[in-house]
Formats: sequence, C-alpha cells, structure tokens
Amino acid sequence: QVQLVQSGAEVKKPGASVKVSCKASGYTFTSYGISWVRQAPGQGLEWMGWISAYNGNTNYAQKLQGRVTMTTDTSTSTAYMELRSLRSDDTAVYYCARGSTSFNWFDPWGQGTLVTVSS
Amino acid sequence: QSALTQPASVSGSPGQSITISCTGTSSDVGGYNYVSWYQQHPGKAPKLMIYEVSNRPSGVSNRFSGSKSGNTASLTISGLQAEDEADYYCSSYTSSSFVVFGGGTKLTVL
Repeated sequence: QVQLVQSGAEVKKPGASVKVSCKASGYTFTSYGISWVRQAPGQGLEWMGWISAYNGNTNYAQKLQGRVTMTTDTSTSTAYMELRSLRSDDTAVYYCARGSTSFNWFDPWGQGTLVTVSS
Repeated sequence: QSALTQPASVSGSPGQSITISCTGTSSDVGGYNYVSWYQQHPGKAPKLMIYEVSNRPSGVSNRFSGSKSGNTASLTISGLQAEDEADYYCSSYTSSSFVVFGGGTKLTVL
C-alpha cells in the first residue's frame, strides 16, 4: 500500500536547523510530488511547499522563502525538508504528503514529525 | 494569503446530516475546482476525504459528499456516526500562493 514514513521527533535550539525525512513506498516515487504541511500545537494546517519528485522543481510558501529547502533522493524514494534559523514559533508537527502538480489533493500523509524549538 | 473561512465548530446527533462550509475568494475556491477536504482525529495525520470539490477517494464512505457554489465549498456528512467526530479542514489551490487551508472545524457528535 502507498505509505510515507517520516523520521523521528527533534528538539532544536533557536537559530539551529532541522532536516526531516519522508520515505515513500508502494508507488512510483517520481510520478508524483511531495508537499510539506505543518501544524503548530492546537492550530490548523499550514502548507509549506512542494517538490516534484520527477525533476526536483520546488514551490515554497512565501513566508518561508529563504529558510526552507526541499529535496528528494530518487534512489531511496525519500524526500527531505530542511528548515533553518529556527524560532520558537516553528514548533509544530511537520507532515509530508504525496501530491499532484495541480495541488488538488494530498494523499496519503506521513505520520508526522514533532519539531520542538526551545532554548 | 488569508486562510479559508470555516466555522470553528459544528455538531449533530447520530444519524443526522451536517454541512461544513469553506469560504474563500475568486482567486482560490471560486476560481478553481481544486477544493479538497481532510479529516483529522486527535493525534493523527489528516486523511483525504474529498478532492476536486466532489470526488471521493476509494475507501471513503459515500456518507461524505462535497459541493461548491461561487466562493464557498461545502462538505456534507450524512448518517452521522460517532467515528465521524474529528477536525475537518478544507484546502484550495490559489493563484497567489499555490495552496491555502481553512482554519479547521471541530465536529462533535452529540
């Protein structure tokens, strides 16, 4: 079955960077893209950006431009999201989700990775 | 890009029907048939329930249906069941920033 499995929880200090992985299985990795979505504690969903697993093209949310980088490794069907210059308000559960180039659906989602930013 | 507008909460009794609205603008909900809906139980990842306004993925109960009129999309759940109690989020493609989510609606089954 189609599945996305993410890396484990992280605790980082303000100003540090974090890199979350998302390993895909059960489908042809390069036929879809991967979106990253985060959810702060008790809050709603926030789209962070998308990467094409076919050619590596990216689209990032404007508020994260310059701090986020999304990459893929097609040899291992794994997507990565790196967020730099972490602040306390970056504390959230980070999800990866398979998606199309039309951003018309996200399915399935990874189990989520809790990133805590605290001094 | 402002979030799409959803009611903070809705409730219904088992067996009843409820509708959750999702209001945007002509740059997102009203301009494209790329509205999707997600169900999220506490501590779990979101699950796709409806895509492209009214399409149900394989495996999703036909008690869930979607529609759109102008700048407002709607998710209707009929024959409400206890397991439907969850948070629901709408999402739309937007010409300005690719993707925008609604603020979420907490569904309580009384």
